[in-house]
Amino acid sequence: KAGVTQTPRYLIKTRGQQVTLSCSPISGHRSVSWYQQTPGQGLQFLFEYFSETQRNKGNFPGRFSGRQFSNSRSEMNVSTLELGDSALYLCASSLRLAGDEQYFGPGTRLTVT
Amino acid sequence: TQLLEQSPQFLSIQEGENLTVYCNSSSVFSSLQWYRQEPGEGPVLLVTVVTGGEVKKLKRLTFQFGDARKDSSLHITAAQPGDTGLYLCAGVGFNKFYFGSGTKLNVKP
Repeated sequence: KAGVTQTPRYLIKTRGQQVTLSCSPISGHRSVSWYQQTPGQGLQFLFEYFSETQRNKGNFPGRFSGRQFSNSRSEMNVSTLELGDSALYLCASSLRLAGDEQYFGPGTRLTVT
Repeated sequence: TQLLEQSPQFLSIQEGENLTVYCNSSSVFSSLQWYRQEPGEGPVLLVTVVTGGEVKKLKRLTFQFGDARKDSSLHITAAQPGDTGLYLCAGVGFNKFYFGSGTKLNVKP
């Protein structure tokens, strides 16, 4: 069974731009969660989608948004990028809601210059 | 402030030594998971513990969930260079995951 895939793996953007990251969950998994990982703050929860609906949200500004499609694939968008948005963005899929075991993708390394 | 505090933050040991990593909180969790993450990759799930007092063994790794379901420990026996990585604990509460700050382990041959 294929694992969680994330595209692109690496991205360099400049301040003020916006970016869209993509995540394809494990086949049959309906929940997708997004996390931001930085050396200073560790792994922080962004949001979770289940059946195309946002079920949970972390404490991030409205510049961070996401969506989930009917095939469970998910995208997250960050608008008006700031230097502090440089991070590894991880997507995790689970069978049902995020209380289940979750499986992470390799992440997208975003660098904002 | 992290909901889950991990200690130590860094650990550098020789191959063959034993070690314990701690994950503590003042909150109660419905379950707790441990992950290992290698550079450039996403975290990989090692174990889920659900019941207070539960002990699970995975080869040389022993995981324990505290009786009150607020804390957990990971013990590695006879560490090997392949155990090197970032170890993360994650508590599950209200259908959300709360990750600890991580313990970076380096096992020298």
